[in-house]
Amino acid sequence: EVQLVESGGGLVPPGGSVRLSCAASGFTFSTRAMTWVRQAPGKGLEWVAGISNGGGSTWYPDSGKGRFIISRDNSESTLHLQINNLRPDDTATYFCSHWSTGGNWFESWGQGTLVIVSS
Amino acid sequence: EIVMTQSPAALSVSPGERATLSCRAGLSISSSLAWYQQRPGQPPRLLIHGASNRATGIPVRFSGSGSGTEFTLTISSLQSEDFAVYYCQQYNNWPLTFGGGTKVEIK
Repeated sequence: EVQLVESGGGLVPPGGSVRLSCAASGFTFSTRAMTWVRQAPGKGLEWVAGISNGGGSTWYPDSGKGRFIISRDNSESTLHLQINNLRPDDTATYFCSHWSTGGNWFESWGQGTLVIVSS
Repeated sequence: EIVMTQSPAALSVSPGERATLSCRAGLSISSSLAWYQQRPGQPPRLLIHGASNRATGIPVRFSGSGSGTEFTLTISSLQSEDFAVYYCQQYNNWPLTFGGGTKVEIK
């Protein structure tokens, strides 16, 4: 059974940084492209970053380029998301997910970790 | 960026009735469309990919149709566990984008 467990969220002041982690199990992590999606409280879903199975390619929407850094450690089956210069509108639950091998739809999801940006 | 527009924003349906949800893409996305269900306090769950292909374990009462810019998710006979928010997502172009969601409520 696929399991994705996020951690690292919490209360962070504006301008600060946070590093989120996602521990993966139940599948061969090194063979799957991985991704992060966020959801602001009471709002919809927003894709924020993706990374290839080997880590050599990364993708971001224009809104996140420069502040979001996705990375992975295949030896530890762990995905990371570093967010710098946090703003109040970054407040959201951040979900870890993996793309299907057949296309960039989000096949499995973790429960998410909540980041609150506030002073 | 391809804007995905879902309608209606909310839908009141009685258990056992059919629900029809719409999703429109701002540009043609062929059949590169997925649907997700999100129950309160839960992460999204993949229902449909390729516009009409049910994901593993998804009941047959869920069906998807459409191509190009117009897509539909149909729930043939609503069960209590189907009352949730539904999102569409396009994966034909970067960046990947979601619709704003349709909330299916109990009538």
